[in-house]
Amino acid sequence: EAAVTQSPRNKVAVTGGKVTLSCNQTNNHNNMYWYRQDTGHGLRLIHYSYGAGSTEKGDIPDGYKASRPSQENFSLILELATPSQTSVYFCASGGHNSNERLFFGHGTKLSVL
Amino acid sequence: QQKVQQSPESLSVPEGGMASFNCTSSDRNFQYFWWYRQHSGEGPKALMSIFSDGDKKEGRFTAHLNKASLHVSLHIRDSQPSDSALYFCAARNNNNRIFFGDGTQLVVKP
Repeated sequence: EAAVTQSPRNKVAVTGGKVTLSCNQTNNHNNMYWYRQDTGHGLRLIHYSYGAGSTEKGDIPDGYKASRPSQENFSLILELATPSQTSVYFCASGGHNSNERLFFGHGTKLSVL
Repeated sequence: QQKVQQSPESLSVPEGGMASFNCTSSDRNFQYFWWYRQHSGEGPKALMSIFSDGDKKEGRFTAHLNKASLHVSLHIRDSQPSDSALYFCAARNNNNRIFFGDGTQLVVKP
């Protein structure tokens, strides 16, 4: 089964600090995604990528940057973290074909104090 | 705007009972539908897909799609406590954008 690994699993940050969430997939998937999950909002798309060097804005990109330096790695960057960004963040990867499923990591729980 | 709407928000069924989830999309460009399941403390995991009108059965799980009404449903028969989880409907369009519903929390009581 496809493997998506996120790090760290838990992170506590201070308001105004920089946070980087990392994601690695070993299945040569073209597409990678960053979602946040909050109670009552389900999964909301922040940024996504179609391949190395590409990043696209999702539905809630404000306050976040993304970086896809290679096929395997996709990072989410919070330059100036705010308490409203306290959430659980999930990375996912999937193939290019529209009928393919997504594979999710275990998530990163971020608390911004 | 919410492109994929799920109901109910939560559901409680007895062990051995039938659990049913509904999903309605607002975009006729959606061609591919998936159901995902998320157990507490884990990431979502794809459960089953449905791309054609009608029913698709996989073990205790049956999905139904009606493209004309943009409605998708999932039914779990003989529900088990291990089925207790958050269930998401996801729709994917030809531009590879994927939209998730807000989820339905299922509790199966022993």
